[in-house]
Amino acid sequence: DAGITQSPRHKVTETGTPVTLRCHQTENHRYMYWYRQDPGHGLRLIHYSYGVKDTDKGEVSDGYSVSRSKTEDFLLTLESATSSQTSVYFCAIQGQSFGANYGYTFGSGTRLTVV
Amino acid sequence: QKEVEQNSGPLSVPEGAIASLNCTYSDRGSQSFFWYRQYSGKSPELIMFIYSNGDKEDGRFTAQLNKASQYVSLLIRDSQPSDSATYLCAVIYGNNRLAFGKGNQVVVIP
Repeated sequence: DAGITQSPRHKVTETGTPVTLRCHQTENHRYMYWYRQDPGHGLRLIHYSYGVKDTDKGEVSDGYSVSRSKTEDFLLTLESATSSQTSVYFCAIQGQSFGANYGYTFGSGTRLTVV
Repeated sequence: QKEVEQNSGPLSVPEGAIASLNCTYSDRGSQSFFWYRQYSGKSPELIMFIYSNGDKEDGRFTAQLNKASQYVSLLIRDSQPSDSATYLCAVIYGNNRLAFGKGNQVVVIP
């Protein structure tokens, strides 16, 4: 299995503060993704990356930014956290050989609470 | 945003019975389809993928794809209590992005 870790696992932060979540992979996969999961909405794509310094917006990107300066790390930043960003955040990776039989592999998630 | 619909509510099935889950998608050009299982408090786990029309079997799971009707389904045979989870349908669209349905909860009753 691909190695993918997210940090932190849990975080409580105050409204208006910046927050950065980290996703780290050890398999040299090109594609990486950030999703949020909320009751009633399912998994929604925030941002994704198709290579170092190559990122693009997903469907719910407002209030979020990302950076990928190394293949193995994909950072998600909440520039000024709001209560509506309380959610579970998942990072996912996809192998370069997609098309054979691979979907995404997900990290364990980060539970973020904005108070 | 591509639409992936999983409309049925929680599904309760007796142990040993067949659980049937359905999913429809909006992008007629979609080629790749996935089913994920997610236990409460855990991350989604890929259990099935299908690319071609027809059935694909893997153990107790069968995925069925009908591109003309734009639906994909998942059958779980001989359901076990360990199958109690939320099942997410996902469809690939542009630039290798996955769109997910909201999921269906399955409860297997011993």
